[in-house]
Amino acid sequence: AQSVSQHNHHVILSEAASLELGCNYSYGGTVNLFWYVQYPGQHLQLLLKYFSGDPLVKGIKGFEAEFIKSKFSFNLRKPSVQWSDTAEYFCAVNAPYNNNDMRFGAGTRLTVKP
Amino acid sequence: NAGVTQTPKFQVLKTGQSMTLQCAQDMNHNSMYWYRQDPGMGLRLIYYSASEGTTDKGEVPNGYNVSRLNKREFSLRLESAAPSQTSVYFCASSDGQGSNGETQYFGPGTRLLVL
Repeated sequence: AQSVSQHNHHVILSEAASLELGCNYSYGGTVNLFWYVQYPGQHLQLLLKYFSGDPLVKGIKGFEAEFIKSKFSFNLRKPSVQWSDTAEYFCAVNAPYNNNDMRFGAGTRLTVKP
Repeated sequence: NAGVTQTPKFQVLKTGQSMTLQCAQDMNHNSMYWYRQDPGMGLRLIYYSASEGTTDKGEVPNGYNVSRLNKREFSLRLESAAPSQTSVYFCASSDGQGSNGETQYFGPGTRLLVL
């Protein structure tokens, strides 16, 4: 089965700093890739996803992620973070033949200092 | 639309007690899921229901049972709670049409403490 590794457990940045959160997956076949975000006190919600086409995908709130198949990676980026980006970020993967079996990474907590 | 709702929000159990976590969605979704979230481990799939009348095991099904009561509702039951089941439980749903990159929509979670 597929699995996901997120390298950073807690990232602390100042406002306006650039962000890159790492995500690697292990699975040899075609995958769907996701980033979900959980703001304090709120539900998990989808930030962006990749399932085909352009490997650079753009999501809400200025986030983007690049799928690099050769590196089994799907890193999340934002050029300039805001205090309101403080949240926990989860990378997730599933296989198109079994959409239901979603595997999540351990999550990265992002703290943005004002 | 309320989206995905869960009850209760918080529960304390003693070891050996049983309880049922309730989940409902009003988005007419076919697929529903139960996850647990533990520190440092992310979300792990317990059970899922691809459509009304079907259920399947996920990554960590031991100690749990589920019921897909109808298209809207998917419950998770702990028959004999153990301290290892202390966790935050999330319910989710998706349209289940088999489209690539199908988005899951999550409920607010239930915090369960087993003493």
